[in-house]
Amino acid sequence: NAGVTQTPKFRVLKTGQSMTLLCAQDMNHEYMYWYRQDPGMGLRLIHYSVGEGTTAKGEVPDGYNVSRLKKQNFLLGLESAAPSQTSVYFCASSTGRLAGTDTQYFGPGTRLTVL
Amino acid sequence: GQNIDQPTEMTATEGAIVQINCTYQTSGFNGLFWYQQHAGEAPTFLSYNVLDGLEEKGRFSSFLSRSKGYSYLLLKELQMKDSASYLCAVRDGLTGANNLFFGTGTRLTVIP
Repeated sequence: NAGVTQTPKFRVLKTGQSMTLLCAQDMNHEYMYWYRQDPGMGLRLIHYSVGEGTTAKGEVPDGYNVSRLKKQNFLLGLESAAPSQTSVYFCASSTGRLAGTDTQYFGPGTRLTVL
Repeated sequence: GQNIDQPTEMTATEGAIVQINCTYQTSGFNGLFWYQQHAGEAPTFLSYNVLDGLEEKGRFSSFLSRSKGYSYLLLKELQMKDSASYLCAVRDGLTGANNLFFGTGTRLTVIP
C-alpha cells in the first residue's frame, strides 16, 4: 500500500496562475481532507469530503476549490494564485468511523511558492 | 470555536524525559491526538485519548484531563531521532467530518 500520495511535491507559480494539486489514497477511506501549514499557524483545514461526490468548507476555504469525483482522489484547485497561498499543503484521509482512534493519515505534502 | 495552546519550542538531553503540555478549549470535544512531524515530512500519529487518564505506548505516554482541558505527551529515554515537532490536535464531534483542530506544534530539540 502506498497510503496517501500527493503530486506534485514542489511547485512555483506566478500570481494569477492556476493549478491543481492531486491527492490519492489506496486505503479505501471515506473521508479526505486538505490542510495548509504555515510557520507559527499550525495545520489549518481548507476543505474536506465525507465521501465520493461530496465536499465541504473547512476553516480557510477562500481562494480554493475541491472535487471528489472518485473515492480515492481528492483534488485541490487554485484558480488565481496569490502570494498569501504560499504554503505547504497536506492531504489526509481517514475511515470516517465517528469514534475511537479514527486517525488521519497524511500525505508527504506539496510545497507551493507563489511569486 | 477551538483554542489549542502548546509551547513553541523545547530542548532536552538525550536519555532524559520530557513533557509537552497542551491546553484546549472546544465546544464538541471528541478525542485528543498527538502527532509527530519531522522537518519536511508528514505528520504521523502517535497517540489518542478520549477518556481521562494515561495511555502508554512504549517510550511515549499521553495523559488527558477533560475537566481541565489539558493533555501532555511524555517522552522517555529520549533519542536523537525524537527531535521533531509534536502536534496536539482536538477532534470536534460537532463538525461534519469529526474534524481535527491543531495547535501550532512544539519543536523539540534533543541534544547529546
